[in-house]
Amino acid sequence: DIQMTQSPSSLSASVGDRVTITCRASQGISNYLAWYQQKPGKVPKLLIYAASTLQSGVPSRFSGSGSGTDFTLTISSLQPEDVATYYCQKYNSAPLTFGQGTRLEIK
Amino acid sequence: EVQLVESGGGLVQPGRSLRLSCAASGFTFDDYAMHWVRQAPGKGLEWVSGISWNSGSIGYADSVKGRFTISRDNAKNSLYLQMNSLRAEDTALYYCAKAYTHLSSSWYNYWGQGTLVTVSS
Repeated sequence: DIQMTQSPSSLSASVGDRVTITCRASQGISNYLAWYQQKPGKVPKLLIYAASTLQSGVPSRFSGSGSGTDFTLTISSLQPEDVATYYCQKYNSAPLTFGQGTRLEIK
Repeated sequence: EVQLVESGGGLVQPGRSLRLSCAASGFTFDDYAMHWVRQAPGKGLEWVSGISWNSGSIGYADSVKGRFTISRDNAKNSLYLQMNSLRAEDTALYYCAKAYTHLSSSWYNYWGQGTLVTVSS
């Protein structure tokens, strides 16, 4: 099975910072990758699908890139409401594995 | 408005069974694949199982294969997860998630609030 590895596991940044989270697949998955945001005590929310397509209603400061095995989620200017755990997920075929998550905090 | 409402969770002893349900509304249920995703307390998301629109394609995580069975009743707009031989490590909040397409290989655009399963003696 393909493994999904996110880095870093946790991250602390200042408001206004550019933040990048990486997700690596153990084998190529083309662009079959989604990113989700889960705020504390809340249900996960879709941010990006097909590696780089922004879900409707998601702020444009979020962006995704990558293909094959290496993917990134970028927040161009960190806002206080972005405090959350971020997960990548591959969906090309079962198992639809999630990364272990990246916890993002405000410094 | 899309709504996914899970039910059936609770406290169960190891080795026993439980059946989760997810009642869907606000969309044409039989046009979309559906999935179960779980989250153990304080842990990350774990995909459990998915089923295509017509039940023709079904998949399971290795951790539940042979013990859990996913099914759907399109006439009742409902998704199910039959969980047998439960273990302590199955303790989690179980989410029902709607796929974007009819295929099980898809991202999720809607999630339910989850139902908590606790496996303990």
